[in-house]
Amino acid sequence: DTGVSQDPRHKITKRGQNVTFRCDPISEHNRLYWYRQTLGQGPEFLTYFQNEAQLEKSRLLSDRFSAERPKGSFSTLEIQRTEQGDSAMYLCASSLAGGATEAFFGQGTRLTVV
Amino acid sequence: DQQVKQNSPSLSVQEGRISILNCDYTNSMFDYFLWYKKYPAEGPTFLISISSIKDKNEDGRFTVFLNKSAKHLSLHIVPSQPGDSAVYFCAASEDDSGGGADGLTFGKGTHLIIQP
Repeated sequence: DTGVSQDPRHKITKRGQNVTFRCDPISEHNRLYWYRQTLGQGPEFLTYFQNEAQLEKSRLLSDRFSAERPKGSFSTLEIQRTEQGDSAMYLCASSLAGGATEAFFGQGTRLTVV
Repeated sequence: DQQVKQNSPSLSVQEGRISILNCDYTNSMFDYFLWYKKYPAEGPTFLISISSIKDKNEDGRFTVFLNKSAKHLSLHIVPSQPGDSAVYFCAASEDDSGGGADGLTFGKGTHLIIQP
């Protein structure tokens, strides 16, 4: 399978705990994005990497959120001190840089904070 | 302030007929538009895109029309098939890399139901 892979698919955590999600993009894609989707809404942009450089962060990304892409391949998204409002589907996408090209999405990680 | 609007939360169409999904945007800086299809518990799947220099793009049963002056685009599916039942998201970006520096801005989606 050469698509975007996310792990885990589901995560239930207690409020206040830290969680980390992983995304493996399509291998030749140098751009990687994180989005969050809540019920009844479209995906909302969180942050974006070109290779290992984090180039943009949305104001939705509070200080409790941190994302890394250390070697320009896979990425991790960590949420510290989770809150119930963090419950959402976290989507990762990747694309090629430059020119008209679409982003390919993974299946997402569904986070439930109880 | 929603920059990409899909005003119909749901749409029901008979199998074999045309499905028309609409999308309006407010940001005049958007110049690349995409449609994604999403099944429950899966990530969005890319369907078709259009650059602002065009007013139509076709791919098989799917055609996207762009009216820049009206800041409106639409997705036509003809003929509609049962497997087309899904949530369809309209998305836009400010460059032609389909989600560059500011990512994609999505609408809230339209749930298309194809009736047999």
